Amino acid sequence: EPEVTQTPSHQVTQMGQEVILRCVPISNHLYFYWYRQILGQKVEFLVSFYNNEISEKSEIFDDQFSVERPDGSNFTLKIRSTKLEDSAMYFCASSDPNSPLHFGNGTRLTVT
Amino acid sequence: RKEVEQDPGPFNVPEGATVAFNCTYSNSASQSFFWYRQDCRKEPKLLMSVYSSGNEDGRFTAQLNRASQYISLLIRDSKLSDSATYLCVVRFTGGGNKLTFGTGTQLKVEL
Repeated sequence: EPEVTQTPSHQVTQMGQEVILRCVPISNHLYFYWYRQILGQKVEFLVSFYNNEISEKSEIFDDQFSVERPDGSNFTLKIRSTKLEDSAMYFCASSDPNSPLHFGNGTRLTVT
Repeated sequence: RKEVEQDPGPFNVPEGATVAFNCTYSNSASQSFFWYRQDCRKEPKLLMSVYSSGNEDGRFTAQLNRASQYISLLIRDSKLSDSATYLCVVRFTGGGNKLTFGTGTQLKVEL
């Protein structure tokens, strides 16, 4: 069964550093997403991406965040200057229109 | 009011028990509904979609009441492996294609 893959599984970074989280969505899906989950809290929407542009973003997704689909397979989330409160699990997902989302196994980001 | 609301639990039940989870959502113009399962520190995985007429998948039954903006999940003959957090998930009309998650209900099935 096709799956969404994410790398790395765990990223440790210092406050103020830039991080890039990588994802390979399911190949024939058209919608791509990033969600995050702070430990003990709910899964929160960050951004959705369709037709090579952001289709929707949440209040969390401020100027420190950006997404890119640099080639036909990868989908990346960049955090320019990480803060302690950015520590969380970051999940990438992909889907067809009006279909359930399929999630990758996540990147645990720890900002020290 | 939270967009998708669930009782966080935990629900501790013996193996073989029947357990039901409820969920309410705030926006009557909601498009589609799902139950996801999440194991500790893992990604959410789709358990089942929820259809207006109700639907069943083995030991799992999902119901939707649009008038009351209420979704339920029933698990029969619960197994130890059912222990997880169950997430109520809604796609709101006009909300793009994204899904909105509830906080989840934790289930612990015990011997």
